[in-house]
Amino acid sequence: ETGVTQSPTHLIKTRGQQVTLRCSSQSGHNTVSWYQQALGQGPQFIFQYYREEENGRGNFPPRFSGLQFPNYSSELNVNALELDDSALYLCASSLKNEKLFFGSGTQLSVL
Amino acid sequence: AQSVTQLGSHVSVSEGALVLLRCNYSSSVPPYLFWYVQYPNQGLQLLLKYTTGATLVKGINGFEAEFKKSETSFHLTKPSAHMSDAAEYFCAVRGDTGRRALTFGSGTRLQVQP
Repeated sequence: ETGVTQSPTHLIKTRGQQVTLRCSSQSGHNTVSWYQQALGQGPQFIFQYYREEENGRGNFPPRFSGLQFPNYSSELNVNALELDDSALYLCASSLKNEKLFFGSGTQLSVL
Repeated sequence: AQSVTQLGSHVSVSEGALVLLRCNYSSSVPPYLFWYVQYPNQGLQLLLKYTTGATLVKGINGFEAEFKKSETSFHLTKPSAHMSDAAEYFCAVRGDTGRRALTFGSGTRLQVQP
């Protein structure tokens, strides 16, 4: 158990819809990162938040957006869903640059 | 920019045999290197990491890896495989400390035969 919880665990959406994924960080962690893991591939960095500010972004379009709240929990929002957005979305929390603790992920299926 | 190449998407060994999972990296700055393990329906768990100092790094569950700068490699080994080692293994690099993001390889699925 890492102390990082993600919800929901599974989600099915249709193309064009919007989705919100949630992550609760491990206690005391002020940094949260989001990764997308497509089937058969390694995770790809989406973005990172540090103390409620975006602190780095990977090669993902603006329809991928996020928030970090004062309690350091986080949301990942994806607008205008596409079939290729089907993937496992992983959240990881850490204390600044220290060890990442990953949640079990949200499996998103876009039909 | 940095990248990771994991040679062999699938590796099968017999229980008790040596485990060798290969990882080569590319980084424009001195790299921080990591190995993660992922069990089915779970997130990633850190096995070990190299930052600076000793090039042979020991991790959890009897795994170790050696950083070889001249070969740009960070291969993962375990002397004797156990059935519980069957999982997906990912090598990752963090070369740009300002970006703080990990770049992962595509993974190697380890099968352990009885």
